[in-house]
Amino acid sequence: DAKTTQPNSMESNEEEPVHLPCNHSTISGTDYIHWYRQLPSQGPEYVIHGLTSNVNNRMASLAIAEDRKSSTLILHRATLRDAAVYYCILAGGTSYGKLTFGQGTILTVHP
Amino acid sequence: DTAVSQTPKYLVTQMGNDKSIKCEQNLGHDTMYWYKQDSKKFLKIMFSYNNKELIINETVPNRFSPKSPDKAHLNLHINSLELGDSAVYFCASSQATRPGSGEKLFFGSGTQLSVL
Repeated sequence: DAKTTQPNSMESNEEEPVHLPCNHSTISGTDYIHWYRQLPSQGPEYVIHGLTSNVNNRMASLAIAEDRKSSTLILHRATLRDAAVYYCILAGGTSYGKLTFGQGTILTVHP
Repeated sequence: DTAVSQTPKYLVTQMGNDKSIKCEQNLGHDTMYWYKQDSKKFLKIMFSYNNKELIINETVPNRFSPKSPDKAHLNLHINSLELGDSAVYFCASSQATRPGSGEKLFFGSGTQLSVL
């Protein structure tokens, strides 16, 4: 499985934008870039995913580098409820929803 | 209504016992999964079923047996529980109709299994 590299932790202040980076230099042409987050004592929650183009939804934006070797999850205005572990995951090819979770980035949001 | 619900939320049992965790999804999805999150918080897939057919089995001991009576349910039965089975088990579902379609998964809230 192609691997991703994320910072162990990041901090933000409430109502400020947050940019969570992810490196995936060994990504293959059929891999989608997925982001999930896990709030304390809950199951992972889908945030966003994309293949080549930047993506926006009500939760976040995903900016994908032109060479696809890195991506950035953007939370436009962090809230305290956004404090979670954020996972950047590559999935595709022959997978049927087989998501390989790494350590993720622990996001702390300060009031 | 909870989209993916699993019961029980907590399960405390003795070594050697047999236990089951139930999962139901009301999203009309075709594919369901079991994931395991260990004490170091790593999440790993265990099984995947598509339309009641096993499609992923990730080197899981055969003491673990998933059962899918219909496509809305995927239960996990564990025989002869061991200390190392203590973990949080998550059920998930997706509308995956073909591999690698970039489908998104919906997870349940987890079952914390403690084997004493």
